[in-house]
Amino acid sequence: GAVVSQHPSWVICKSGTSVKIECRSLDFQATTMFWYRQFPKQSLMLMATSNEGSKATYEQGVEKDKFLINHASLTLSTLTVTSAHPEDSSFYICSADTDTQYFGPGTRLTVL
Amino acid sequence: GQNIDQPTEMTATEGAIVQINCTYQTSGFNGLFWYQQHAGEAPTFLSYNVLDGLEEKGRFSSFLSRSKGYSYLLLKELQMKDSASYLCAVLSGGYNKLIFGAGTRLAVHP
Repeated sequence: GAVVSQHPSWVICKSGTSVKIECRSLDFQATTMFWYRQFPKQSLMLMATSNEGSKATYEQGVEKDKFLINHASLTLSTLTVTSAHPEDSSFYICSADTDTQYFGPGTRLTVL
Repeated sequence: GQNIDQPTEMTATEGAIVQINCTYQTSGFNGLFWYQQHAGEAPTFLSYNVLDGLEEKGRFSSFLSRSKGYSYLLLKELQMKDSASYLCAVLSGGYNKLIFGAGTRLAVHP
C-alpha cells in the first residue's frame, strides 16, 4: 500500500522558534497533500491543501504567514510553524492524495 | 456550512456487534470515509462509500444513504484491539478535501 512518512515524529522547541515538518510520499507521487492539526481528544482539522508547484490553499482561520507550506516536489511537502507559541502545541498530520488519502504517522509538537 | 455528527463515546463487550452512526450536511459530496485512530497515532483507512448501500470488508461494514445524509460503521466480533476512535469523514470540494467528524471513542470491555 501507499506509504507516507513524516519527520520528525516529535519535537520540543522554545517559544519564538520555528519548526519545520516534512511529509513524504515514499512509493507514489502526490500532486496534492493536506495538512491537519489535531488537539487532544478532538478530531482532525484541515489547515491547508498543498499543491505541487503552486501556492497552498489555507482554510479559514489559519494564518498563512504563520504556517508556511512548500510543496517542492511530487513527493515532498513541508510545513513550517514560524515563531511557535505554546498554543501551537498539537499533533500535526499530513496526508497524500492518490485514489484515497493516506496519512503520515503524525508529528507531535510541544512548544515550551 | 459543513456539519458532521457522530456520538462522542460508545462502549461494547468483546465478541459483540456495535454500530457507529454518522450524519452529515456538507456543501459537496464525493464520498464518505471511515478511519480508525488509536491514541497518539495517525488515522488508518477502514472503508469508503460513494454509492448507497452496504460495503463489507471482513469484520467491518459501512453503509451509506446519500438522500438521508447518513452512514454507519458496523463492527462485528469485537476484539479488545478495536478500542479506538472512529472518524467519519466526507470528501468534499474541488481538491477533494476531507471534512472530519469529531470522532467516536469506542471502548471494548471483556
